[in-house]
Amino acid sequence: KNQVEQSPQSLIILEGKNCTLQCNYTVSPFSNLRWYKQDTGRGPVSLTIMTFSENTKSNGRYTATLDADTKQSSLHITASQLSDSASYICVVSATSGTYKYIFGTGTRLKVLA
Amino acid sequence: DGGITQSPKYLFRKEGQNVTLSCEQNLNHDAMYWYRQDPGQGLRLIYYSQIVNDFQKGDIAEGYSVSREKKESFPLTVTSAQKNPTAFYLCASRGGTGKGTEAFFGQGTRLTVV
Repeated sequence: KNQVEQSPQSLIILEGKNCTLQCNYTVSPFSNLRWYKQDTGRGPVSLTIMTFSENTKSNGRYTATLDADTKQSSLHITASQLSDSASYICVVSATSGTYKYIFGTGTRLKVLA
Repeated sequence: DGGITQSPKYLFRKEGQNVTLSCEQNLNHDAMYWYRQDPGQGLRLIYYSQIVNDFQKGDIAEGYSVSREKKESFPLTVTSAQKNPTAFYLCASRGGTGKGTEAFFGQGTRLTVV
């Protein structure tokens, strides 16, 4: 069964600190993996997208890694800001003919001043 | 200003009523999707359309209906047959079929049954 699991479910950190969010998946055949940021009551916004051959990709203070062998990804946030408070969703695409997206349940991050 | 627009932002439905959620995009994308988001769960696919005048059921299509008469529009109707419609609904669109093709989301519609 295609699944995407994220950990932790929620996380509280102080402003300026770093944090790492985890994503494990069992999706086959794998096409790509994306990280989205979703503010409360808003639609998700893309942070990064990684294909099978990519190990790391950065977008400002956000750095995503992908290990296709172990089927794990991480999102590292550097020097957190209050505006980073949001849910972070890992999404894996399967090339099953319909290009289906499998969504994780997200990690809710709260950055405190 | 290109993007994908959902309306209304908030919608209230009485039991037994049908309601329609709007989704419009001016990105010239072929594929459009409707998802439902419930607390503690990942987004679940309701319906998707890969081309005008064609659409397919997703994982939780029961109680919902869609149409795709125009490329830029993909409205979702929540019918009275949907027993638990209170949720946050998200529309997305995607252009192309390449592995790196991005999907863009609207800002969502929160539907509440009163």
